[in-house]
This record gives sequence, C-alpha cells and structure tokens, in this order.
Amino acid sequence: GQQLNQSPQSMFIQEGEDVSMNCTSSSIFNTWLWYKQDPGEGPVLLIALYKAGELTSNGRLTAQFGITRKDSFLNISASIPSDVGIYFCAGRNSGNTPLVFGKGTRLSVIA
Amino acid sequence: NAGVTQTPKFQVLKTGQSMTLQCAQDMNHEYMSWYRQDPGMGLRLIHYSVGAGITDQGEVPNGYNVSRSTTEDFPLRLLSAAPSQTSVYFCASSYTGRTNEKLFFGSGTQLSVL
Repeated sequence: GQQLNQSPQSMFIQEGEDVSMNCTSSSIFNTWLWYKQDPGEGPVLLIALYKAGELTSNGRLTAQFGITRKDSFLNISASIPSDVGIYFCAGRNSGNTPLVFGKGTRLSVIA
Repeated sequence: NAGVTQTPKFQVLKTGQSMTLQCAQDMNHEYMSWYRQDPGMGLRLIHYSVGAGITDQGEVPNGYNVSRSTTEDFPLRLLSAAPSQTSVYFCASSYTGRTNEKLFFGSGTQLSVL
C-alpha cells in the first residue's frame, strides 16, 4: 500500500524556536493534510492543502503542498509549550481512496 | 456539540474474549472509519464506510468486523481478542465528496488484551 515517510520522528526544541517537519511519498497525492494530536486525545486537523504549490497558514503554522505533489512540509514559528504533541501528515491520491497517514513527528518544547 | 463519541474510553480483555467498540457521530456524516494507533506505526486504517449499508476494508482489517446500519453509528467488533490487538483505537468521520478528507476524530479507546 501507499506509504508516507514523515521526518523527523521526534524533535526537542527550545520555546521560541521555529520548527520544520516534512512528509514525502513515492506516489503523487492530490491532497495533503496536517493533523495534531494532543496527549490522550484524537488528532485534530490543522491545515488542508488541495493544490500543488499551495502555501497555507493557520496562525503560527504554515504548510506547503510540494510542486512535485510527492511532498509537503509544516513549519511552526515561535514555538510555545502548547505546541507539544504528535503531528501527522496525511494524503490521498484520488477522490474515493481513504487517507494515508504518516507515522508522526513527536514535538517536545523545552521552556 | 458532541461530534464523534467513542465508548468505552478504556477496556481490558482476556485473550479470546469478544467485544464491541462503539462510535457515534451527530454531524450527519456519510463517511466513517476506524484507525488503530501503535507506537512508531502512526494511524492505520482498519475499516471504513461511505454510507449506511456500505463497508470496506482498510490496511489492517484482520480480526475486526464492522457494520453500518445507520448513518450515526459505526461499531467495531473484535470476535476473539488477541494480544496483538492491544492498541488505541480511533473512530473518525467526515462528509463525502471533496471534503471527506477533513476527518473529525473521537477521543479514542485504549484497549489492552492480556
């Protein structure tokens, strides 16, 4: 089946630093999504991308849909303690196929 | 606004026991799905449904059954639990069509099989 390679697996950063994580696929995707999971909760959608080259922001978060349609990245600026959690990328390559999720990036913020 | 409701929150089973994980949504979503989350494995799709009466297998369907008799409910059944099914299970739902990738997740069921 399709696989998404998400990196890094984990990150430890100082409060105030910027964060960058990415996701790559061996096949073309038509949609890229980024989710965040807080401890003990289900994932929550952060940003959805539908077009190659699209750059979308949500507050301090910015995500881009790669022009090759095989990758996406998520940036978090000026990290704060509540940014702690697991960030998942997800993608799909056609209208009726279920989402495929990456394995997640675990973010820890040191105050 | 309840959203996606999963019960129970926690469950411990013995090997061979059966049980049903419940999932209900009140958003009139056509699409519902079940994922399991294991350390280092991310979210893996078990089964999904695009509407009442329609179900399909995901990436890891073995050992699990589902049915979709109503739009609101999508229960996941373990017929004979195995230790390999120890995991956190998430139900998720969305509208169909172009927006059906905006999944809304429940808060999860943590299952331990001894």
